[in-house]
Amino acid sequence: DGGITQSPKYLFRKEGQNVTLSCEQNLNHDAMYWYRQDPGQGLRLIYYSQIVNDFQKGDIAEGYSVSREKKESFPLTVTSAQKNPTAFYLCASSIGGQVGETQYFGPGTRLLVL
Amino acid sequence: AQSVTQLDSHVSVSEGTPVLLRCNYSSSYSPSLFWYVQHPNKGLQLLLKYTSAATLVKGINGFEAEFKKSETSFHLTKPSAHMSDAAEYFCVVSDLGSGGGADGLTFGKGTHLIIQP
Repeated sequence: DGGITQSPKYLFRKEGQNVTLSCEQNLNHDAMYWYRQDPGQGLRLIYYSQIVNDFQKGDIAEGYSVSREKKESFPLTVTSAQKNPTAFYLCASSIGGQVGETQYFGPGTRLLVL
Repeated sequence: AQSVTQLDSHVSVSEGTPVLLRCNYSSSYSPSLFWYVQHPNKGLQLLLKYTSAATLVKGINGFEAEFKKSETSFHLTKPSAHMSDAAEYFCVVSDLGSGGGADGLTFGKGTHLIIQP
């Protein structure tokens, strides 16, 4: 079964703690993305990557970091510098990251602060 | 710069009646337009996509949308609502003017569709 998996489904963060959200795809897509979704809002782009070992900041990258060491994996770390991390985080992928390409989404991770 | 406006934050219809979710966009170039659906606590699923072929686009689950350049609209419709259609719907635009392909999607804020029994 081809698709995108995200884990965990729910994640709790303590003050001052870094946490990492996992995103894996077996669609053989070059491009991967991380979005943040807040209630009543559309999705906002955090980071994206069009190729292994390369990634670019999106609109709201502050307080987040990513890596792209493998084509199928694009983990997102929410650092302690992100002061308002509570949100629903969505990972997506597309074939090559070109204009007009369809992005395919994972099931999401909900991050909550204790 | 591109932008997208979903004109209704909530739409409520009775089961079996037509659905209309409205979306207006602005784009300096020929855009690609998408509708995605999101069920509670789930990821987004593509309903349909317009890429300058036919202006009437048919999607999954009986949904369709019509691209009207003169009105800069891309409204989503379905002839008969089903209880399983209750979800959040997002209109999305992508064009060359975004400054690049990978960061070029702009999402609307969503329309919550409620189906009354």
